[in-house]
Amino acid sequence: GQNIDQPTEMTATEGAIVQINCTYQTSGFNGLFWYQQHAGEAPTFLSYNVLDGLEEKGRFSSFLSRSKGYSYLLLKELQMKDSASYLCAVTDSNYQLIWGAGTKLIIKP
Amino acid sequence: ETGVTQTPRHLVMGMTNKKSLKCEQHLGHNAMYWYKQSAKKPLELMFVYSLEERVENNSVPSRFSPECPNSSHLFLHLHTLQPEDSALYLCASSQSETGGSGANVLTFGAGSRLTVL
Repeated sequence: GQNIDQPTEMTATEGAIVQINCTYQTSGFNGLFWYQQHAGEAPTFLSYNVLDGLEEKGRFSSFLSRSKGYSYLLLKELQMKDSASYLCAVTDSNYQLIWGAGTKLIIKP
Repeated sequence: ETGVTQTPRHLVMGMTNKKSLKCEQHLGHNAMYWYKQSAKKPLELMFVYSLEERVENNSVPSRFSPECPNSSHLFLHLHTLQPEDSALYLCASSQSETGGSGANVLTFGAGSRLTVL
């Protein structure tokens, strides 16, 4: 079967750095997405990786290793507003999106 | 108004009621989706419409009935639901039905929180 694993919950301190991991086993691979979802709000697109390596976008970076079936989302200079759930999703060989259950990130002062 | 708008934001219904969820997108997208989001579970794709034609139905119970009258509007009609159907129902849109590819990022609405008593 197809599976996406990510930690259920993480806690970090304001101003620090946090890395949220995502591992996947899917039938084929056509890209990996990260979405952010604040409580009671819509998920919003953060990043897309289809080739190996690091994609940097301001305070957020996303890394992909296709050979290891592994990605991470790196958040730097954490702010209280970064408290949210972070969803990892992979596009399989049929271009179907397979979703992880999300990681709830709690930021403490 | 821009983006994807869902109404109502909250809905409480009994198991014998009939209600509808509404979704509207103002992005000019050709594909629209219904997802179910339950606590600590992955998003579950329910229905996909492309250019108003249903292209995917992921074995959803018949008590959920979608309707897509045009490319901007999507409805989810609900009848004789079960308590386990209580969840957040998310609508999304993308440029085309291959919503997973990098060129077709999903834009989500804020969801309709459904509670079935």
